[in-house]
Amino acid sequence: GQNIDQPTEMTATEGAIVQINCTYQTSGFNGLFWYQQHAGEAPTFLSYNVLDGLEEKGRFSSFLSRSKGYSYLLLKELQMKDSASYLCAVSDSNYQLIWGAGTKLIIKP
Amino acid sequence: NAGVTQTPKFRVLKTGQSMTLLCAQDMNHEYMYWYRQDPGMGLRLIHYSVGEGTTAKGEVPDGYNVSRLKKQNFLLGLESAAPSQTSVYFCASSHLIEPTGELFFGEGSRLTVL
Repeated sequence: GQNIDQPTEMTATEGAIVQINCTYQTSGFNGLFWYQQHAGEAPTFLSYNVLDGLEEKGRFSSFLSRSKGYSYLLLKELQMKDSASYLCAVSDSNYQLIWGAGTKLIIKP
Repeated sequence: NAGVTQTPKFRVLKTGQSMTLLCAQDMNHEYMYWYRQDPGMGLRLIHYSVGEGTTAKGEVPDGYNVSRLKKQNFLLGLESAAPSQTSVYFCASSHLIEPTGELFFGEGSRLTVL
């Protein structure tokens, strides 16, 4: 079966750095996505990786290793507004998105 | 900029009642999707549409029907609601199933079935 694994919850301190991991097993691979979802709101797109390596976008970076079925989202200089759930999703061979359950990130002052 | 709009935002139903959720997008997107989100689970695809007049089943289609009569609208129907359908429903759209595949989501519709 297809599976996406990510930690259920993480806690970090304002101003610090946090890394949220995602491992996947899917039938085929057409890219990996990270979305941010604040409580009670819609998911919003953060990043997309299809090739191995690191993609940097401001305070957020996303890394992919296709051979290991692994990705991480790195958040730097954490702000209180970064408190949210972070969803990992993989596009399979049919371009269908397989979603992880999300990682709830709690930022403490 | 409206983007993707869902109505209603909240609804309480009794078991066996029917209802329709409406999704409207103003971005001229070809693809539209209905997902449900339940605690501790990833988003699950119910039905999707690759263009006006087309629909297809997703991962969890049972108990739901959809229609895409106009390009900008995608309707999700529950003919006979069950407590297992208590969930938050998200509509999303995308331009194409292109490499980036970015989805634009509506704000969600919270449905409770008693």
